[in-house]
Amino acid sequence: DQQVKQNSPSLSVQEGRISILNCDYTNSMFDYFLWYKKYPAEGPTFLISISSIKDKNEDGRFTVFLNKSAKHLSLHIVPSQPGDSAVYFCAATGGFKTIFGAGTRLFVKA
Amino acid sequence: EAGVTQFPSHSVIEKGQTVTLRCDPISGHDNLYWYRRVMGKEIKFLLHFVKESKQDESGMPNNRFLAERTGGTYSTLKVQPAELEDSGVYFCASSQGGRELFFGEGSRLTVL
Repeated sequence: DQQVKQNSPSLSVQEGRISILNCDYTNSMFDYFLWYKKYPAEGPTFLISISSIKDKNEDGRFTVFLNKSAKHLSLHIVPSQPGDSAVYFCAATGGFKTIFGAGTRLFVKA
Repeated sequence: EAGVTQFPSHSVIEKGQTVTLRCDPISGHDNLYWYRRVMGKEIKFLLHFVKESKQDESGMPNNRFLAERTGGTYSTLKVQPAELEDSGVYFCASSQGGRELFFGEGSRLTVL
């Protein structure tokens, strides 16, 4: 049973436009959510996070939105750049264990 | 500061053979995690060490998998005997109490 779901395997966006990556979760015990970015042949690297007591967190071009009632979060990248092309993993934790989604591959076209 | 290092980066073995993966966490990180990703699927939790103790091994697939963390430093993950479905990328991550995990580059295992 997948507790963190990323239903879009891939997303293609034009350079300069907004990229929106979505994530749904099922476990209401999760209290902290993270996004990781992964390039080929590398491990995932932390990008941005949000606590369940907030509904928005912004860091430069990256903003994460959390809708607790819908158990949904999203990552917005504005403006998108070709270097943002990577696989983005949504993750959630309620304690020591972090649960990851299957990832969304983002292609940013120049 | 050195990051999380994993060895080997890629291992190709025959079904029935044994493979041992090694992870060196960031120095001073008490928490060490093993994850596995099968092509296109989620990064699946395998187990969590706090120092040398297994905090949570609920994700270990079966008793063919054995993880150890000697002296609370590096960790090994042994698969014996390997099966075809064990193929994937094994990631190690470490942390020092915070929610953010620091990952290694992964060890790709191919079982033929």
